[in-house]
Amino acid sequence: DTAVSQTPKYLVTQMGNDKSIKCEQNLGHDTMYWYKQDSKKFLKIMFSYNNKELIINETVPNRFSPKSPDKAHLNLHINSLELGDSAVYFCASSSGLAGYQETQYFGPGTRLLVL
Amino acid sequence: AQSVTQPDIHITVSEGASLELRCNYSYGATPYLFWYVQSPGQGLQLLLKYFSGDTLVQGIKGFEAEFKRSQSSFNLRKPSVHWSDAAEYFCAVGAGNQGGKLIFGQGTELSVKP
Repeated sequence: DTAVSQTPKYLVTQMGNDKSIKCEQNLGHDTMYWYKQDSKKFLKIMFSYNNKELIINETVPNRFSPKSPDKAHLNLHINSLELGDSAVYFCASSSGLAGYQETQYFGPGTRLLVL
Repeated sequence: AQSVTQPDIHITVSEGASLELRCNYSYGATPYLFWYVQSPGQGLQLLLKYFSGDTLVQGIKGFEAEFKRSQSSFNLRKPSVHWSDAAEYFCAVGAGNQGGKLIFGQGTELSVKP
């Protein structure tokens, strides 16, 4: 039973395309997150949702749009992909807000390569 | 602004040797501190966390970390490293006043020599 799952695991696409990454958690958590890990392995939060409500929206281009249809799912849609979007995208979840003592559980990541 | 610094980008230790990975943080209030490990091609797994109380925290896989407020540090230690410990290690601080997000350090890559 995978706690936090992401699909697809690998995504290779051309510049200008639109793509989506899906995330699902079966932990019953209230909060979900998207992180971007760049080529130097630096992790930075992009978004977080608590009970389907957007809590954190970092300075991310508006080409990135998260959608949370329910508490267990948080999808990431990216429009007009650019070379600089190539990275590993991690989904995570926690029972509360991560900075408030709760552990974040991470998915396996989606490796996006934009050609 | 909150920040986390891991001064060592890459560390190599021999199997069986002791390990210490450094982490310094900048945070105005009492920090919530975490250490995560990322194995190659995998997501992140929590090793341990500190919120309050005993400044020496025990985690999984034989790891421990010590919170030192005077030094703004939260160094990770293990007395005897195993080859399976080779991975990327991330220190993080919980920015409680910013929606609860985690701010990560740059990571330290650990290699283990046989």
